[in-house]
Amino acid sequence: GDSVTQMEGPVTLSEEAFLTINCTYTATGYPSLFWYVQYPGEGLQLLLKATKADDKGSNKGFEATYRKETTSFHLEKGSVQVSDSAVYFCALSDHGNQFYFGTGTSLTVIP
Amino acid sequence: GAVVSQHPSWVICKSGTSVKIECRSLDFQATTMFWYRQFPKQSLMLMATSNEGSKATYEQGVEKDKFLINHASLTLSTLTVTSAHPEDSSFYICSARDPAGGSYNEQFFGPGTRLTVL
Repeated sequence: GDSVTQMEGPVTLSEEAFLTINCTYTATGYPSLFWYVQYPGEGLQLLLKATKADDKGSNKGFEATYRKETTSFHLEKGSVQVSDSAVYFCALSDHGNQFYFGTGTSLTVIP
Repeated sequence: GAVVSQHPSWVICKSGTSVKIECRSLDFQATTMFWYRQFPKQSLMLMATSNEGSKATYEQGVEKDKFLINHASLTLSTLTVTSAHPEDSSFYICSARDPAGGSYNEQFFGPGTRLTVL
């Protein structure tokens, strides 16, 4: 069945460091891919998405490219800020209802 | 963008009592809503899919008699945790699809409800 495998954390970075959080997926069809962010005590917020191969999702300096050949959707940011500290979830959705989430990666950015 | 609200955001109850959590789509009609459960430092686990006007579809291992779901209108789904026990303490999150929104696969998430059972 469909699934998402996400880089385990926690990840701790200094401010302005480069961030990569790896995400790979398994799917039988052509899913849409998402990154969600969860700040402490809050629900999930959509960070970015890509609906087909080679699409690049971007938002707030974060980027991720839908790579069908490597079944990956790695999240990157060139220069992280303290305010980026949160838990990041990679997810995929088939063309029905089901969403599959990765286990989440906790990011802490220190000044 | 589409907004989903949940109420209450935080609830404490005694063991054996029932708790109702509401999920509302504020600016769109949601024929389908989803209920997730999140344990501390873990990912979201889909509990059930709630369809307006019909019975909910529960994931394997989720007790439908314990987690009652009602989706009586296009903007409201409720989750009732019946005879709650401490092991039901968790963060419950709902989401909804906006079929008219164009992004067929996107779900919009509520802010979550933290349930603590004493």
